[in-house]
Amino acid sequence: AQSVTQPDIHITVSEGASLELRCNYSYGATPYLFWYVQSPGQGLQLLLKYFSGDTLVQGIKGFEAEFKRSQSSFNLRKPSVHWSDAAEYFCAVGATEGANNLFFGTGTRLTVIP
Amino acid sequence: SAVISQKPSRDICQRGTSLTIQCQVDSQVTMMFWYRQQPGQSLTLIATANQGSEATYESGFVIDKFPISRPNLTFSTLTVSNMSPEDSSIYLCSGLDGVSYEQYFGPGTRLTVT
Repeated sequence: AQSVTQPDIHITVSEGASLELRCNYSYGATPYLFWYVQSPGQGLQLLLKYFSGDTLVQGIKGFEAEFKRSQSSFNLRKPSVHWSDAAEYFCAVGATEGANNLFFGTGTRLTVIP
Repeated sequence: SAVISQKPSRDICQRGTSLTIQCQVDSQVTMMFWYRQQPGQSLTLIATANQGSEATYESGFVIDKFPISRPNLTFSTLTVSNMSPEDSSIYLCSGLDGVSYEQYFGPGTRLTVT
């Protein structure tokens, strides 16, 4: 069965600093991997996804993520964080057959300090 | 991308009553889903809303408690029945784009049961 682990419950970074949010997944086959962001009182917005091909994927808002099969990881990165990036970030894995059943990690809350 | 709306955005309900949440998608999606996000936790899939037939429920969720309808491709409802305080959560609707395999989420319905 699929599962997703986000080891960091809460991360605080200074504005302008780099960011890396960790995600580890468990799935028998090649997974569909996603990162979503949830701002307070908002729904989830898709940042990026990985299905196949280049293991470094670019997303919106300057985010990127790298799929590492050997480590079962799909970490999210941003070179320079903006105050507006403060939000909850969720990693999710979907079944290869259609990504229709998403399993979400517990989320990482990002605080940005000026 | 699909734009998904939900109503109500929030509600406070009495124990033992029922609430129906509506979800509208602005374009056709192949699949629609309902998730629950309990306070401070991640998202858990309740069920897949199937057009014109009974929804497919995940383990731990039953039709009597969470009846779901999907009369057409762009509309679905979730009813939370015979509510108890444990049902206090955010309920989110999502739609799957069958081409991109991306799920788009509504803003959620914040339910408080007293």
